[in-house]
Amino acid sequence: QSMLTQPPSVSAAPGQKVTISCSGSSSNIGNNYVSWYQHLPGTAPKLLIYDNNKRPSEIPDRFSGSKSGTSANLGITGLQTGDEADYYCGTWDSRLSAVLFGGGTKLTVL
Amino acid sequence: QITLKESGPTLVKPTQTLTLTCTFSGFSLSTFAVGVGWIRQPPGKALEWLALIYWNDDKRYSPSLKSRLTITKDTSKNQVVLTMTNMDPVDTATYYCAHRPRQLFPNNYFDYWGQGILVTVSS
Repeated sequence: QSMLTQPPSVSAAPGQKVTISCSGSSSNIGNNYVSWYQHLPGTAPKLLIYDNNKRPSEIPDRFSGSKSGTSANLGITGLQTGDEADYYCGTWDSRLSAVLFGGGTKLTVL
Repeated sequence: QITLKESGPTLVKPTQTLTLTCTFSGFSLSTFAVGVGWIRQPPGKALEWLALIYWNDDKRYSPSLKSRLTITKDTSKNQVVLTMTNMDPVDTATYYCAHRPRQLFPNNYFDYWGQGILVTVSS
């Protein structure tokens, strides 16, 4: 059971927008930066968002991140079938002195 | 260009010790604030962080696995080694190593990942 809570699955049609949430506490999301990863089966996870809302240069601006209090969101607009993957949030927990990952959210593009 | 690659046994017996090596290029683990982490993913389950070693040899471990893990680095060889003792079938997973970029502590995230190595624990 992860300390970061994500919905197990989300779905939307191609071209639509989806938001994936990540809920934590004051010892992790509330006082530390959040990152997001995309993971396709059989491949290495890919960093999508870091420092709550920054994108690596190669990540399209269809992907965005936000944080408020002890929760964070990943937004994906203009959904494509290639976006079907598992998405994970990550952060540092100051009380545990540990990196945390969320339980993962499976995105289905219908 | 940063690359990382995991190597080690793909099959270990219960109670044995697993030793995995991460060989990397494109960065130095003697560079200020840089780190290398290990993360695993059991089949059908979520990513789980295991350990992280920083440029200054500071080490952090997953609290639930701390007693079984050791992470070390060899800067001259560009390698990081993870050992996990007393392996059990529940430790069957794909194990990844990843680059932690130069960031102020405690901001920890991973921008480059290896392809992973599937380790099966079975007698």
